[in-house]
Amino acid sequence: KQEVTQIPAALSVPEGENLVLNCSFTDSAIYNLQWFRQDPGKGLTSLLLIQSSQREQTSGRLNASLDKSSGRSTLYIAASQPGDSATYLCAVRNAGNMLTFGGGTRLMVKP
Amino acid sequence: GAGVSQSPSNKVTEKGKDVELRCDPISGHTALYWYRQSLGQGLEFLIYFQGNSAPDKSGLPSDRFSAERTGGSVSTLTIQRTQQEDSAVYLCASSPRQGRGNTIYFGEGSWLTVV
Repeated sequence: KQEVTQIPAALSVPEGENLVLNCSFTDSAIYNLQWFRQDPGKGLTSLLLIQSSQREQTSGRLNASLDKSSGRSTLYIAASQPGDSATYLCAVRNAGNMLTFGGGTRLMVKP
Repeated sequence: GAGVSQSPSNKVTEKGKDVELRCDPISGHTALYWYRQSLGQGLEFLIYFQGNSAPDKSGLPSDRFSAERTGGSVSTLTIQRTQQEDSAVYLCASSPRQGRGNTIYFGEGSWLTVV
C-alpha cells in the first residue's frame, strides 16, 4: 500500500525567504506526482504535475523535483510572499488511477 | 462548466438523517473521484468512477455510504443515517480520462456538519 509523508508538517518563514517542502512515498511505481495548494475553507488547487519520466517542473516561483527511485519529491518556493501562506499537499498516482495524498505542510509566510 | 462544481457548499443535518452531495465534473472529464477530509486531517479516498462504473469502491467507510454516477457526468454521494463522525468536507475531483498523465481538478467541497 502506498504511503505518502510530508515533512515538515508546519513551517513559518519571513517574507522573501526561499523554502523547500518535502514529500516522500514508499512505492516508487508511480505514474505521476502532483502538488496542490489548499487555502483554509477551500478546495485544492493544482500547482504542478510531474510525470514519472520527468525530473522537474517549473511554474513561476515554484519548482518541483522528482526522484522516483528514492521515492522523493521537493517543492521549492522562491522569494516567498504572505500570499503563499496555505497548506501544500503532494499526491502520487499509482496503478488503478488512485491518488494517495500526504498529510500536507502548513506554510505561513510572515510579512 | 469552467470547473468542478459541488453542492451544497454547506450542509448541517441532524444525526440519523440521510444526505446527498452532488458533484458536477468538468465537461468531458470521464474520471471522477470522491475524497473526504476531516478537520485537521489529510484526504481520505472514498470512491473513483471511470465513466459510470466504479472500479474502486475500497474507500467507502461503511455500507451507509454509496455513490452513483449517471450519464458519465454528475455524481451523487449519499450518506444514510448520518453520524457525527461523518462531519467533514467532501471533495470531488475530475480528470480528462484514464490517462496516467492527467492533472486532477478539485471542487470547493461540500462541508457537512452532523449535529
